[in-house]
Amino acid sequence: GAGVSQSPSNKVTEKGKDVELRCDPISGHTALYWYRQSLGQGLEFLIYFQGNSAPDKSGLPSDRFSAERTGGSVSTLTIQRTQQEDSAVYLCASSLPVVAEQYFGPGTRLTVT
Amino acid sequence: GENVEQHPSTLSVQEGDSAVIKCTYSDSASNYFPWYKQELGKRPQLIIDIRSNVGEKKDQRIAVTLNKTAKHFSLHITETQPEDSAVYFCAASRAAAGNKLTFGGGTRVLVKP
Repeated sequence: GAGVSQSPSNKVTEKGKDVELRCDPISGHTALYWYRQSLGQGLEFLIYFQGNSAPDKSGLPSDRFSAERTGGSVSTLTIQRTQQEDSAVYLCASSLPVVAEQYFGPGTRLTVT
Repeated sequence: GENVEQHPSTLSVQEGDSAVIKCTYSDSASNYFPWYKQELGKRPQLIIDIRSNVGEKKDQRIAVTLNKTAKHFSLHITETQPEDSAVYFCAASRAAAGNKLTFGGGTRVLVKP
């Protein structure tokens, strides 16, 4: 079946602009995670959605970052007033309920100029 | 929160030799430990995982061992091949925290033909 998809694959934006990144999880996966991978770095947890529960936002680095998950499927990560340090690959992952294995999307490479 | 340390950061091996990557974690409540392989420009791919009720798991040429008392786990790749060249990440999570993954810093493995 189809894997996790993300769009756009690349995004170049000017400092101060807002951006929206989209994630479409695997069908039936109720858990959805966002991670960030800075150049040459490991992966850093940002936010987690599970079904209709309140999201775990404990990894968001600042209040410029927010995320929504509408209808329990597609998620959008929004970064307001982008800064150069926001440049990174933003990865989305999904998993079945109460199952630990997470499957990653291809990521969105964000470059803030 | 959880902290995962991974060593070495780079590893160069001759084709056919074995490669070992080690990780330590800090949260004794962590109960799930996956390993991801990431080729250049690609998404992380889950290659093997182990849960805290198991000490060792094997899948063809790869194996993972877990020592809960010492809070460390290792990835072993035998009979390495050039296609094993990639960055490998270990991670830890616990179900009670929504299975959000805390990653190690990654190991760049180069298999020389």
